[in-house]
Amino acid sequence: DVKVTQSSRYLVKRTGEKVFLECVQDMDHENMFWYRQDPGLGLRLIYFSYDVKMKEKGDIPEGYSVSREKKERFSLILESASTNQTSMYLCASRLPGGVNEQFFGPGTRLTVL
Amino acid sequence: QKEVEQNSGPLSVPEGAIASLNCTYSDRGSQSFFWYRQYSGKSPELIMFIYSNGDKEDGRFTAQLNKASQYVSLLIRDSQPSDSATYLCAVAGGTSYGKLTFGQGTILTVHP
Repeated sequence: DVKVTQSSRYLVKRTGEKVFLECVQDMDHENMFWYRQDPGLGLRLIYFSYDVKMKEKGDIPEGYSVSREKKERFSLILESASTNQTSMYLCASRLPGGVNEQFFGPGTRLTVL
Repeated sequence: QKEVEQNSGPLSVPEGAIASLNCTYSDRGSQSFFWYRQYSGKSPELIMFIYSNGDKEDGRFTAQLNKASQYVSLLIRDSQPSDSATYLCAVAGGTSYGKLTFGQGTILTVHP
């Protein structure tokens, strides 16, 4: 069965802290994505990775970076957290070709104080 | 201008009625279209996808695509209270890597 997991369901951090959000998939998918979801704005793509050590900016990359050292793991890094990064963060993965379906993790609700 | 537009609702329908959810997109090069359902506090799950003009049916769900009008819709027949959720329209362009652009979602409430 398809499985995407995220390291935390809820996280509270302080302004200026470095924050790591981890995502792991067990489906051998090559493509992985990080989104943030805010009320009234839908899902917005932050970064994606089409293969190990390969990454591309999405629509709102400012203030974020990513790391993908292994195929199954994709990390989102907030270098210096700010209150406007308080949001729901969703990770997704996809097998290239075919239906193009993205499978989502449960999400991390991040609050920056 | 938003690339994918949905009416945010909320859309309220009685149990047993047809719920109609609409989505428009701006990129004429878009090639595939998806409807995700998201229950409160949960992550999105795919319920329908469509590539070609016309209708695609799966149980109580029908997706409709009109590329000339840049319009995609989702019909839910015999709506049930368990269908109450946010429905997200997503569009994939002609580029690689399966990038999706999402609309802001439509909140659907089915009342008994």
